[in-house]
Amino acid sequence: NAGVMQNPRHLVRRRGQEARLRCSPMKGHSHVYWYRQLPEEGLKFMVYLQKENIIDESGMPKERFSAEFPKEGPSILRIQQVVRGDSAAYFCASSPRRATDTQYFGPGTRLTVL
Amino acid sequence: DQQVKQNSPSLSVQEGRISILNCDYTNSMFDYFLWYKKYPAEGPTFLISISSIKDKNEDGRFTVFLNKSAKHLSLHIVPSQPGDSAVYFCAASARDFGNEKLTFGTGTRLTIIP
Repeated sequence: NAGVMQNPRHLVRRRGQEARLRCSPMKGHSHVYWYRQLPEEGLKFMVYLQKENIIDESGMPKERFSAEFPKEGPSILRIQQVVRGDSAAYFCASSPRRATDTQYFGPGTRLTVL
Repeated sequence: DQQVKQNSPSLSVQEGRISILNCDYTNSMFDYFLWYKKYPAEGPTFLISISSIKDKNEDGRFTVFLNKSAKHLSLHIVPSQPGDSAVYFCAASARDFGNEKLTFGTGTRLTIIP
């Protein structure tokens, strides 16, 4: 049973470009969470999605960031017009059901903005 | 506002001895607590969890203790092994209040000395 998949593992962008991070949850999991880890800090919640629905986006920056989890395909975290402060590790987690299950994490995407 | 605190950034323990990692929280709505282990350049790996209705949960070498009145939990690893060297994150959620997002501490780097 494959775990949570994230790609790319490493992404380099220049300031002003767009970054797209993809997450495929574990088989049978319909809940996806995105977290960001800045250097020397803990993980910070960004957004919680179910298929075709955003449940909680309280941790998302108000501008430039968006997330989706379509009916088919992976969840996408999109960062427009990246800035150096967006450089971080972005982790996706999934769980089978809401509010009752442990979240299992993917290996992360390390975004570097030049 | 750091709602989950791990006040020890690092800890060194002799192989075979007990490792005790501590975590404090301030939000009384937290009702579910987890410990994750993280190696460099990898995603967090779930270790063990505990619900607020319990005060202890054990899984092999790992035991988590919860003291709700003190808003404190700890992870005991015994006996400690070299492969346990990693960064350990404490996390909490308010599941029964419909809030599944995890709030993480800043982590404790555990080093097991052979």
